[in-house]
Amino acid sequence: QSALTQPASVSGSPGQSITISCTGTSSDVGTYNYVSWYQHHPGKAPKLMIYNVNERPSGVSNRFSGSKSGNTASLTISGLQAEDEADYYCSSYTTSSTVVFGGGTKLTVL
Amino acid sequence: EVQLVQSGAEVKKPGESLRISCKGSGYNFANYWINWVRQMPGKGLEWLGRIDPSDSYINYSPSFQGHVTISVDKSISTAYVQWSSLKASDSAIYYCARIINYSSSAGDYWGQGTQVTVSS
Repeated sequence: QSALTQPASVSGSPGQSITISCTGTSSDVGTYNYVSWYQHHPGKAPKLMIYNVNERPSGVSNRFSGSKSGNTASLTISGLQAEDEADYYCSSYTTSSTVVFGGGTKLTVL
Repeated sequence: EVQLVQSGAEVKKPGESLRISCKGSGYNFANYWINWVRQMPGKGLEWLGRIDPSDSYINYSPSFQGHVTISVDKSISTAYVQWSSLKASDSAIYYCARIINYSSSAGDYWGQGTQVTVSS
C-alpha cells in the first residue's frame, strides 16, 4: 500500500485560510468516508483534528474543517493562528482493512 | 480521564529483542481497538497495525507484518509491540492510540510515545 499524497509544505499569514490536500486511490480515500487528520507538534503526541472526513472531536476548534471529493480529501484551517504551525497528516482506512497515512505537510504561519 | 501511558525509552543493540507497552486507563480498555504508529527520525507517521483488546484480533500493515508482533493483555489493560531481532532501522518513536471506532480507525487518545534506539 502506498502512502497518501500530501504537499510537503503550505504557508499562510495569521487570519488567512489554508487548505491541505490528501490524495489517495479507489482503495482507500475514494471508497470510504474514513479519512482522519492529525496535528503533530514535534516532540508531542499527534492530536486528532478531524475524523470520518468532516467530524471534529470534542474540543477541536471549528476553524478546522474537512471535506472529500473522489480520491482527494482536504483539511481547511480558517483564521490561521500562530499555534496552528505544525505538521499535519491525513490517514485513511483501506479496502485491505489497514490504515495508510499521508507523508505529512508542514504548515508555516508567516 | 482517558490516558494511554507508554513504557520508557529503550536503547538496544542490533539482533536483541524488545517489547514496549501501552497501558490504558480511564475507560473500558476492551471496548476500543489500539493502533500502533511509528515515526522514524525526520520522517512521517507510519501505521504498524491495530489490535482488538476484546479478542486479540490484529490487522497488520503489510510493511510490518512478520517483523513486529502486536499483542494485548486485557486483564491489565495493556497493549504491546515486540521485536525478536531488532535492526538499526527500527530506531524510531512508537506511539499507541485508542481508536475512536473500528471503521474509522482514527486515534482519539494517544500515548506519549516510546523512543527506541537500536545501535551497535
